[in-house]
Amino acid sequence: GAVVSQHPSRVICKSGTSVKIECRSLDFQATTMFWYRQFPKQSLMLMATSNEGSKATYEQGVEKDKFLINHASLTLSTLTVTSAHPEDSSFYICSATGRGNEKLFFGSGTQLSVL
Amino acid sequence: AQSVTQLGSHVSVSEGALVLLRCNYSSSVPPYLFWYVQYPNQGLQLLLKYTSAATLVKGINGFEAEFKKSETSFHLTKPSAHMSDAAEYFCAVRIDRGSTLGRLYFGRGTQLTVWP
Repeated sequence: GAVVSQHPSRVICKSGTSVKIECRSLDFQATTMFWYRQFPKQSLMLMATSNEGSKATYEQGVEKDKFLINHASLTLSTLTVTSAHPEDSSFYICSATGRGNEKLFFGSGTQLSVL
Repeated sequence: AQSVTQLGSHVSVSEGALVLLRCNYSSSVPPYLFWYVQYPNQGLQLLLKYTSAATLVKGINGFEAEFKKSETSFHLTKPSAHMSDAAEYFCAVRIDRGSTLGRLYFGRGTQLTVWP
């Protein structure tokens, strides 16, 4: 089956630094990718939707200047958490769907801890 | 707006026992509902989905879920638990019926433990 690879699986960084998370579709063209985050004991929440070659669409309450999403190719989307702070510590997950939009494939997630 | 609530962040059952994971939804329109499973170090995988056809939906690995409009519920069941069912389970609803596949609102997840 289709595979989505997400890296890194875990990252620890200092407050004020930027962190980049990659999401790659390994065997299909991901025309649309989605980014979610889950704070401890809370729901997994959609942050943004990105279509290849277009600007991402952010959900209400998500700061687009803080969470930079790039989807420049059909196999790669990146989420950059800029000037990370402890309150950004969360579990981030990506997913992707290809042409025809019939199935959704998820990465295994990235646990971000900001000290 | 659509949302789901999963009752119980942890459920433990013995091998061979009934598995029941609860999910209630809130929706202003007929919802599209999903159950996903996440095994350790893997991405979420679709177990089953309800899209307004049959109210009893059968999924992979022997799981099924019943859509009950009167109770606004979509509980996940399996008659006999296996050790391999130990994982985290997420209930989800599509944010709006016309939206793309990944625009989902998830519950907070239920960790299923299966005892030998």
